[in-house]
Amino acid sequence: SYEVTQPPSVSVSPGQTARITCSGDALPKQYAYWYQQKPGQAPVVVIYKDSERPSGIPERFSGSSSGTTVTLTISGVQAEDEADYYCQSADSSGTYRVFGGGTKLTVL
Amino acid sequence: EVQLVESGGGLVQPGGSLRLSCAASGFTFSSYWMSWVRQAPGKGLEWVANIKQDGSEKYYVDSVKGRFTISRDNAKNSLYLQMNSLKAEDTAVYSCAREVVHMVYGVLSGSYDYWGQGTLVTVSS
Repeated sequence: SYEVTQPPSVSVSPGQTARITCSGDALPKQYAYWYQQKPGQAPVVVIYKDSERPSGIPERFSGSSSGTTVTLTISGVQAEDEADYYCQSADSSGTYRVFGGGTKLTVL
Repeated sequence: EVQLVESGGGLVQPGGSLRLSCAASGFTFSSYWMSWVRQAPGKGLEWVANIKQDGSEKYYVDSVKGRFTISRDNAKNSLYLQMNSLKAEDTAVYSCAREVVHMVYGVLSGSYDYWGQGTLVTVSS
């Protein structure tokens, strides 16, 4: 089965830039989506179709793609950004959906 | 307002069965792919299954193939997950999610814009 891989944790100080990567063989041919999940809450999409930001999501959230890796960048991290972040995509046939294992962002 | 409300979770013994339901409202249910996503306690999200608008296509993660069946009733705005031969590793909060489908390089891609709050399934003796 297809998998996408994220680092388990990232730590940054307030005001710094956090980068969370997600790797998968099908990512050159599939969109990636990023979700933020806070404890006890449903996930919220912060980036869709690799780099588009939904309305209501702060501009400090951005996404990029290069080959088999996609990256979620949070510029000027704030304390409220501390959460789990999940990459989500699909296999190259578009049949099966997949989530990365999640990255816990800690704001020091 | 879009709402997704799951029900049917509970405690079940290994090898047992359970049927989850998801009641949808606030949007045209029959126009969307729908998915079940689960999250084991303290663990990450795992996609379980999805179903096309008319029910003609259904896909499953390998670990549940042959044991789980996803279905929908568009007349009742409801999504279902029949879970048989349950295992301890199926213990999780199960959430239904509305899928937004995009085309990329001629194949489908999908993301989730609305989620329910989930229903807890515990498989234990």
